Amino acid sequence: AQTVTQSQPEMSVQEAETVTLSCTYDTSESDYYLFWYKQPPSRQMILVIRQEAYKQQNATENRFSVNFQKAAKSFSLKISDSQLGDAAMYFCAYQGAQKLVFGQGTRLTINP
Amino acid sequence: DAGVTQSPTHLIKTRGQQVTLRCSPKSGHDTVSWYQQALGQGPQFIFQYYEEEERQRGNFPDRFSGHQFPNYSSELNVNALLLGDSALYLCASIRRFDLAKNIQYFGAGTRLSVL
Repeated sequence: AQTVTQSQPEMSVQEAETVTLSCTYDTSESDYYLFWYKQPPSRQMILVIRQEAYKQQNATENRFSVNFQKAAKSFSLKISDSQLGDAAMYFCAYQGAQKLVFGQGTRLTINP
Repeated sequence: DAGVTQSPTHLIKTRGQQVTLRCSPKSGHDTVSWYQQALGQGPQFIFQYYEEEERQRGNFPDRFSGHQFPNYSSELNVNALLLGDSALYLCASIRRFDLAKNIQYFGAGTRLSVL
C-alpha cells in the first residue's frame, strides 16, 4: 500500500522569508501524481501545486515550487516570499491507480 | 460557477444514531469521493461514486455507505455511530474524463460530533 509521510508537524517562518515543507512517499507504482494541498481554518482543501511523476521538471506555481526527487521518493514544497495568507495546514498527497493518499499534514505559521 | 457544496456544516449526534451527509459536486463533474478527516490528521479515503455506483472503497466498515443520484449529487450514510466517527467529512468531485489529470475539488466539509 502507498504511504505518505510528513515529518514536520509544525513549521514557522517570518513574513517575506522562504520555507520548505518536506514529504516522502512509498510506492511500487511507476505512474502517479503528487500534490500539495492547503487547508486554512475555513477547512476547504485547496490545491497548491501538482507534479506528474513522469515529468522530470519540477512544477512551479507563482511563489510555490516543488523539489521532486523520484529515486528518493521525496516531494518537498518551497514557499517563497511567505505571506500571512499562507498560514494553514499543508498536506502532501499521492495518487496512483487507486485512491488519493494524504500525509499527516504540516501546520505552517507565518510570523509578521 | 458553484464549487463543491456540502450540507450540513455542523452536526451533533449521539452514539448509535444514524446520519446522512450530502454533497453537490462542482458543475460539470460526475464523480464524487468522500473522505474522513479526524482532528489533527490527514483525510482518509472512504469511497468513490460515479454512474451511481460505488467504484472504489477505502478501509471503512459497512456502517459507512453511500449513494449517488442521477444529477451526480451524493450522500454519505453512517449507521450505529461511534464516538470515533467524530470527524470532518470532506467531499471531492472530478470530471471522470479528467481523471488522468486528477485534480479533485473539495468542499468545506461537514463537522460531525458524536456524543
